[in-house]
Amino acid sequence: NAGVMQNPRHLVRRRGQEARLRCSPMKGHSHVYWYRQLPEEGLKFMVYLQKENIIDESGMPKERFSAEFPKEGPSILRIQQVVRGDSAAYFCASSPRDDSSYNEQFFGPGTRLTVL
Amino acid sequence: AQSVTQLGSHVSVSEGALVLLRCNYSSSVPPYLFWYVQYPNQGLQLLLKYTSAATLVKGINGFEAEFKKSETSFHLTKPSAHMSDAAEYFCAVSNPAGTALIFGKGTTLSVSS
Repeated sequence: NAGVMQNPRHLVRRRGQEARLRCSPMKGHSHVYWYRQLPEEGLKFMVYLQKENIIDESGMPKERFSAEFPKEGPSILRIQQVVRGDSAAYFCASSPRDDSSYNEQFFGPGTRLTVL
Repeated sequence: AQSVTQLGSHVSVSEGALVLLRCNYSSSVPPYLFWYVQYPNQGLQLLLKYTSAATLVKGINGFEAEFKKSETSFHLTKPSAHMSDAAEYFCAVSNPAGTALIFGKGTTLSVSS
């Protein structure tokens, strides 16, 4: 059973460009979470999605950032008009989220975004 | 609001020595607590979790953690460190809605021979 897959693993963008990060959850998982890890910091929650629904986006910056998890295909985290401060590692996690869930999340290897 | 504090951003031990990584939490509800390990340039791997069952939780690679409600602590221990344990360790608590994990800033464990 393949784990959570993220691509690309490394992404370089120039200021003002768009960044698209993809996440395929583990087989059988229908819940996806995105986190951002800045240097010397722990992971910060950004958004929680189920198929075709954003459940909790309390950690998403108000501008330039968006996320989706379509019925078919991977979840996408999109950053428009990137700035140097967006340089970070972005991690996706997935969970099966059954009724007894305690929110155990399985993490992907991350996408390291560098903004020049 | 939930929060996690990891005491000590860096811990160094000798191979074979006891590993103790400290985590204190704040939670408005009975917490679900987790320890994750991150190797360089990799994602996070779950070491163990506390979900209100036994207070002493055993995880992978010989790690264990004890939930102490009176001290609001969930410290991670391993009796004998191996070189392969060198990594960054994160303590996390689930938010009340169960929609997110709240992480501490991490502790980097170094193991010397």
